[in-house]
Amino acid sequence: DSGVTQTPKHLITATGQRVTLRCSPRSGDLSVYWYQQSLDQGLQFLIQYYNGEERAKGNILERFSAQQFPDLHSELNLSSLELGDSALYFCASSVVPEGVHEQYFGPGTRLTVT
Amino acid sequence: AQKVTQAQTEISVVEKEDVTLDCVYETRDTTYYLFWYKQPPSGELVFLIRRNSFDEQNEISGRYSWNFQKSTSSFNFTITASQVVDSAVYFCALFGDNNDMRFGAGTRLTVKP
Repeated sequence: DSGVTQTPKHLITATGQRVTLRCSPRSGDLSVYWYQQSLDQGLQFLIQYYNGEERAKGNILERFSAQQFPDLHSELNLSSLELGDSALYFCASSVVPEGVHEQYFGPGTRLTVT
Repeated sequence: AQKVTQAQTEISVVEKEDVTLDCVYETRDTTYYLFWYKQPPSGELVFLIRRNSFDEQNEISGRYSWNFQKSTSSFNFTITASQVVDSAVYFCALFGDNNDMRFGAGTRLTVKP
């Protein structure tokens, strides 16, 4: 158990809908990262927040957005969902803002868009 | 641009065999970090090792060892005396100046009893 929690575990929704994925980092970790793992694209870095501020951006679509709240939990919002957004979404956390330290991954949220 | 290549899509070995997973990377950064992660069938990603670009020392941790060679831009991972529990997908990753963790496509290792 990495100490990173993600809810929900599974999510099934229809095209065009909007969903919110939630992540709570390990106690003491200020940095949160979001990743998408799909069969087509593999594991891709989406976005990083550190202590409430956006720190780095990867291959995140404009339909997706994220934020980190004062209690350090983070939410990833996915809107206007398409079939291709079906994937496993991971959240990871680390102590420092730079990802050079190991990131601890949550169990993931499996999103299925039908 | 940063890129990580894991040319071996799938490897199958019999228990107790040694197996090496290859990782080749591309980057223009002078400072970067390389990682290996394991993704067992349960799905979570488990950190195995981090190596920075200035430290080319090989590392051994139990049955695991890593060979970092800057000259060939490779960071290979060897499991000695493999066990069934080693069956998983293994990802090599590169972290560079733009704060972007770039993963390889992964190698699925199956260890048969």
